[in-house]
Amino acid sequence: GESVGLHLPTLSVQEGDNSIINCAYSNSASDYFIWYKQESGKGPQFIIDIRSNMDKRQGQRVTVLLNKTVKHLSLQIAATQPGDSAVYFCAEIVTGFQKLVFGTGTRLLVSP
Amino acid sequence: KAGVTQTPRYLIKTRGQQVTLSCSPISGHRSVSWYQQTPGQGLQFLFEYFSETQRNKGNFPGRFSGRQFSNSRSEMNVSTLELGDSALYLCASSLGGTNYEQYFGPGTRLTVT
Repeated sequence: GESVGLHLPTLSVQEGDNSIINCAYSNSASDYFIWYKQESGKGPQFIIDIRSNMDKRQGQRVTVLLNKTVKHLSLQIAATQPGDSAVYFCAEIVTGFQKLVFGTGTRLLVSP
Repeated sequence: KAGVTQTPRYLIKTRGQQVTLSCSPISGHRSVSWYQQTPGQGLQFLFEYFSETQRNKGNFPGRFSGRQFSNSRSEMNVSTLELGDSALYLCASSLGGTNYEQYFGPGTRLTVT
């Protein structure tokens, strides 16, 4: 499988806990953000997105929070399951350009 | 609806050779983007095509090129391969226009020896 980063920050949680993964983005002009999940040997999988005119968006078991003042995104996963173990990336876009700029990623390890 | 497909999945080439990778986007998607993923540099944008035109380009040398066909399928080519080109090459498709949701394929693992 793909090792997406030898020295990724790692978040270790127990099954059933809530997980919070943080991301600082770089471009103050970015106005659209996506969280991706990447499992070993697979391409990134779209989880949830948010536009800059929002500060919170909820999906199934996931919530994304956006703080434009400090250029910070977070992904909250409720009731984390072993199947959530993966590397999570935030990505930013300046609308008008189909060019994702990815963060370095965070490895989430969920133990039963 | 079928997802993004990439061929081949694995490739081993020698320095100096060239390689062509293929990507078939989700049906109806007109924008195709390519990314390189390495442990050291993470995920980096290569280029994006929409309606057979390259609209955006990342900071990669001219050895990296691509094209898109009228059916939205895309290919990328790397000439004069270097060891540092070893990476996972990912293709993503989106509807384009004002839709920025990009969906990724499984990638092509390229190893240059």
